[in-house]
Amino acid sequence: TQLLEQSPQFLSIQEGENLTVYCNSSSVFSSLQWYRQEPGEGPVLLVTVVTGGEVKKLKRLTFQFGDARKDSSLHITAAQPGDTGLYLCAASPSESSYKLIFGSGTRLLVRP
Amino acid sequence: NAGVTQTPKFQVLKTGQSMTLQCAQDMNHEYMSWYRQDPGMGLRLIHYSVGAGITDQGEVPNGYNVSRSTTEDFPLRLLSAAPSQTSVYFCASSYSGQALGEAFFGQGTRLTVV
Repeated sequence: TQLLEQSPQFLSIQEGENLTVYCNSSSVFSSLQWYRQEPGEGPVLLVTVVTGGEVKKLKRLTFQFGDARKDSSLHITAAQPGDTGLYLCAASPSESSYKLIFGSGTRLLVRP
Repeated sequence: NAGVTQTPKFQVLKTGQSMTLQCAQDMNHEYMSWYRQDPGMGLRLIHYSVGAGITDQGEVPNGYNVSRSTTEDFPLRLLSAAPSQTSVYFCASSYSGQALGEAFFGQGTRLTVV
C-alpha cells in the first residue's frame, strides 16, 4: 500500500495550458517535498512545504500543503515543453524518521 | 562538484549472479539510502543508513544487503540476482540535521537480470 497517492498518473497537455497534480495520504506529515525527474537522471528537489496551508511559488509552479497536512498540490501555469518530466511527492512517515517515502509519480508531457 | 556518484551506470546479470552497486558522496552527509524505481511504482526504499556503522531496512529489503563502513560510501549488494530485481537503482544522500532535508540523488544504475 502506497503511503502517498499521486494523481493523475499521466498527463498530456498543450503548451500554454494550466494543470494541477495531487498528492494525497491518510497520514499526517510534518513536511512534504516535491521532486522532478527527467529521463536518465535522478530526482531533483523543487520545494519543501512545512506548515499546514502553506503556499510556495517557484516561477510558474505553485505548491500548496493542505491545512491538515495530509495532502499537497502542484499547479503549473502556462506549461512549457521544458516542464515535461516525472513529478514525485515525498514525505517522512514520522517527524523523527529520516526515511523518505515517495509517491508513484505523475508523468507530465507538454506538447509544443 | 561530484555530489552523489553511482557505478556502474548499466549492468546485465545472469540469474543467480551476485554484484555490488557502488555509491559515494562527497558532501559529508550522514544519511544515505538506496531506492529502486520500476514503471508506475515511483521510488521504493530498499535500505538506508543514518551514519557509519548504522543501517536499517526500507520497504523492499529482501535480496539486498548493505553496509556503511565510512561516511562517504554506501554499497548495495545483490546476493543472488533474480529477474524481479531488474530495475533502475538510485542512491541518495542528505544532511541529517533536519528530519526532511533535501535528498541528492545519483544518476542511477540500470540493472537487467536475465
